[in-house]
Amino acid sequence: GAGVSQSPSNKVTEKGKDVELRCDPISGHTALYWYRQSLGQGLEFLIYFQGNSAPDKSGLPSDRFSAERTGGSVSTLTIQRTQQEDSAVYLCASSPRQGTLSGNTIYFGEGSWLTVV
Amino acid sequence: AQSVAQPEDQVNVAEGNPLTVKCTYSVSGNPYLFWYVQYPNRGLQFLLKYITGDNLVKGSYGFEAEFNKSQTSFHLKKPSALVSDSALYFCAVRPGVDSSYKLIFGSGTRLLVRP
Repeated sequence: GAGVSQSPSNKVTEKGKDVELRCDPISGHTALYWYRQSLGQGLEFLIYFQGNSAPDKSGLPSDRFSAERTGGSVSTLTIQRTQQEDSAVYLCASSPRQGTLSGNTIYFGEGSWLTVV
Repeated sequence: AQSVAQPEDQVNVAEGNPLTVKCTYSVSGNPYLFWYVQYPNRGLQFLLKYITGDNLVKGSYGFEAEFNKSQTSFHLKKPSALVSDSALYFCAVRPGVDSSYKLIFGSGTRLLVRP
């Protein structure tokens, strides 16, 4: 597709359940980011993938959060044993090689809106 | 600590009047600067960026921003606001450090343009 595609667009889950959020980046983009936007707050960096390099996981808030990127394209963000404070919009973004390191723009998807009840 | 500040939670302006959304930053080195807009229940859309060169950059939808190194600012401007410009605006900075690829975002400014 032309843009970053995320699914599901909306997810309501019960506390304690696991959820998977999917991101399909723009074709040819090797850099992929996950950010979280909580209600009334700004954007919080979660994780960064660049090609075949080891990802930067420094922003993941706890060990309940994990992400992978298969084949250098699609990425999945997994949240285990969800808590109410995990409720947020999870935004995926992609960018040409090295992302903003080279001054490239990062382009965001529409987000996955997660509600934990 | 490296940070981005958007000092105004909300900016109100009448349609047809000029608008300014403020952004200041505190980061290492020579930063790359970005503005994004978020419409209700949507993701972020890229508006414009400053990497190097002319301090005044022009972007989408008639927006422009001026990089001021001495004041460490990158304010977003538009000469004549439209009601459809009402949205949430985010300033973002990539610190000017060789190994940095993350964008640091401000807390956002809600722009309300009244008819």
